[in-house]
Amino acid sequence: DGGITQSPKYLFRKEGQNVTLSCEQNLNHDAMYWYRQDPGQGLRLIYYSQIVNDFQKGDIAEGYSVSREKKESFPLTVTSAQKNPTAFYLCASSPGPVATEAFFGQGTRLTVV
Amino acid sequence: DQQVKQNSPSLSVQEGRISILNCDYTNSMFDYFLWYKKYPAEGPTFLISISSIKDKNEDGRFTVFLNKSAKHLSLHIVPSQPGDSAVYFCAASARGTYKYIFGTGTRLKVLA
Repeated sequence: DGGITQSPKYLFRKEGQNVTLSCEQNLNHDAMYWYRQDPGQGLRLIYYSQIVNDFQKGDIAEGYSVSREKKESFPLTVTSAQKNPTAFYLCASSPGPVATEAFFGQGTRLTVV
Repeated sequence: DQQVKQNSPSLSVQEGRISILNCDYTNSMFDYFLWYKKYPAEGPTFLISISSIKDKNEDGRFTVFLNKSAKHLSLHIVPSQPGDSAVYFCAASARGTYKYIFGTGTRLKVLA
């Protein structure tokens, strides 16, 4: 059945290491998003992509990178430049710019040890 | 600059009563508004939405009201059930854009 799959569910990283979070969707959606959730701060937009091979920075893009080589996939790399990477990361997709809802994956909890 | 605000971090309601969650926004370009429900360690699930051409949208126990002049929307849950206990996020987007801007969430606790 259709949906968004994020993997892994839990991820541990040592300080100074880059790590990549996976996000795959089979909803045939054009747009994909990465959000970060911290306690008391809601969901903040990291990057989003409107179409394959195109992406834009969100509100908190520093220390992150993304790629969109395939419509189904939008991986997020958390680099060593990200000062506070420990958070809950959420991937989402939506059909496009018309008024519609975004669908979310189950999230990845990243912890820096 | 927080464009979407949920000023109540938490709310407790008795089972069977009405829950009212509020959301304010500052950007007059927003024309589509959504409510999501989220359980801990899970992704948000879509509840209900409203376009700026309407002032009310209803889906079962959930009703969203939009007051454009006040830049305010609210979610009413009637009757509230213990399974409704979760964090509720409002979100907004502007026509032609792909960005959804989320509020900080309100934790609802429905007491049995």
